[in-house]
Amino acid sequence: AQSVTQLGSHVSVSEGALVLLRCNYSSSVPPYLFWYVQYPNQGLQLLLKYTTGATLVKGINGFEAEFKKSETSFHLTKPSAHMSDAAEYFCAVSRTGANSKLTFGKGITLSVRP
Amino acid sequence: NAGVTQTPKFQVLKTGQSMTLQCAQDMNHEYMSWYRQDPGMGLRLIHYSVGAGITDQGEVPNGYNVSRSTTEDFPLRLLSAAPSQTSVYFCASSSTSGGAGELFFGEGSRLTVL
Repeated sequence: AQSVTQLGSHVSVSEGALVLLRCNYSSSVPPYLFWYVQYPNQGLQLLLKYTTGATLVKGINGFEAEFKKSETSFHLTKPSAHMSDAAEYFCAVSRTGANSKLTFGKGITLSVRP
Repeated sequence: NAGVTQTPKFQVLKTGQSMTLQCAQDMNHEYMSWYRQDPGMGLRLIHYSVGAGITDQGEVPNGYNVSRSTTEDFPLRLLSAAPSQTSVYFCASSSTSGGAGELFFGEGSRLTVL
């Protein structure tokens, strides 16, 4: 079984401040890890993903995440928040193998204050 | 680029009515899936398909039916709508069912059951 924990439901930062969204996962086998973003009234789109190789993954819009196996974490960061980053962010996990299903966390809403 | 197209975007039903949510993709993806999104619960998988003629249940399949007669289309049927099915529904597709692939989402269908 696999699961994702995103603690808290809402994070608020000032424009220009560091963004840190936490994600911890549980998986019995090496995981694939994803961050998706959902802007208001839209579907989700992929920010970045980790499959194998380098544990620091860079995504779109200046976001990055680091896979830490020892901590079972995949936290999302961005050095300087922009107003346009306000959205809901979902961490998700799947695993190797055919027909592997993606399991989403509950999501975190990011607000950016001027 | 059309990508994943869902119709209708909004629908109001009365308890006991049936309806079909349509989903079409033009990316020749083999894998398609339906999720429902509820506040504080993230996205939960309803049904998925790894190719034409092949469907399987996800985490919350009760009350829903699917079929996959073509690669492009993956309709979701509500057999007898209940207020608990009030939700936002997302269709998603991927070029792979192997767990590492990016999911491409439609813009969602907001369903209210009275």
